[in-house]
Amino acid sequence: GAVVSQHPSRVICKSGTSVKIECRSLDFQATTMFWYRQFPKKSLMLMATSNEGSKATYEQGVEKDKFLINHASLTLSTLTVTSAHPEDSSFYICSARDNRGHEQYFGPGTRLTVT
Amino acid sequence: AQKVTQAQTEISVVEKEDVTLDCVYETRDTTYYLFWYKQPPSGELVFLIRRNSFDEQNEISGRYSWNFQKSTSSFNFTITASQVVDSAVYFCAFAAGYGGSQGNLIFGKGTKLSVKP
Repeated sequence: GAVVSQHPSRVICKSGTSVKIECRSLDFQATTMFWYRQFPKKSLMLMATSNEGSKATYEQGVEKDKFLINHASLTLSTLTVTSAHPEDSSFYICSARDNRGHEQYFGPGTRLTVT
Repeated sequence: AQKVTQAQTEISVVEKEDVTLDCVYETRDTTYYLFWYKQPPSGELVFLIRRNSFDEQNEISGRYSWNFQKSTSSFNFTITASQVVDSAVYFCAFAAGYGGSQGNLIFGKGTKLSVKP
């Protein structure tokens, strides 16, 4: 079956630093990847849609300069949280849609803690 | 606008009980997809089922069954003879259909199921 990996699975960083999270589709190509954020005991909120070779589409209220998304290849999208603050602490989940346009496969998530 | 409502925030049952998780959706789309995902404490989303709007047949997979009723805009999920390993947060999700593919997923708020031994 289709597998999506995320790295790192868990990261702790200090306020003011930047953190990069990678999302990879391991056995399929994904023109489109998605980044979600999940607060404790809450639902998944779509942050942005990442399209290979073009700029990401951000949802309303998501700061594009704070959450930098790069989708340089058909199997890799990265999310960089710039100048992280404690309120950025969250569970970040990516997903990748296979190029046939149907199924969306989720990564295992990255737990970010900003101290 | 599309919306997914999971009215049950938390459910607690004793092992071997049957439990139904409710999901109600709102949409004006005629083509759409409905999903259920399981999120165990580890955090990874586990895909359970995907149904399209033209297929109202109920589905059974082992102890899991789903009841899709367009008349009430509901897509309920039943676990028969629940087990402790079923303890997780379950999310219902919706995606509009566009020319053979699907739009972005819209998630409900989730229902936390606790199965006690």
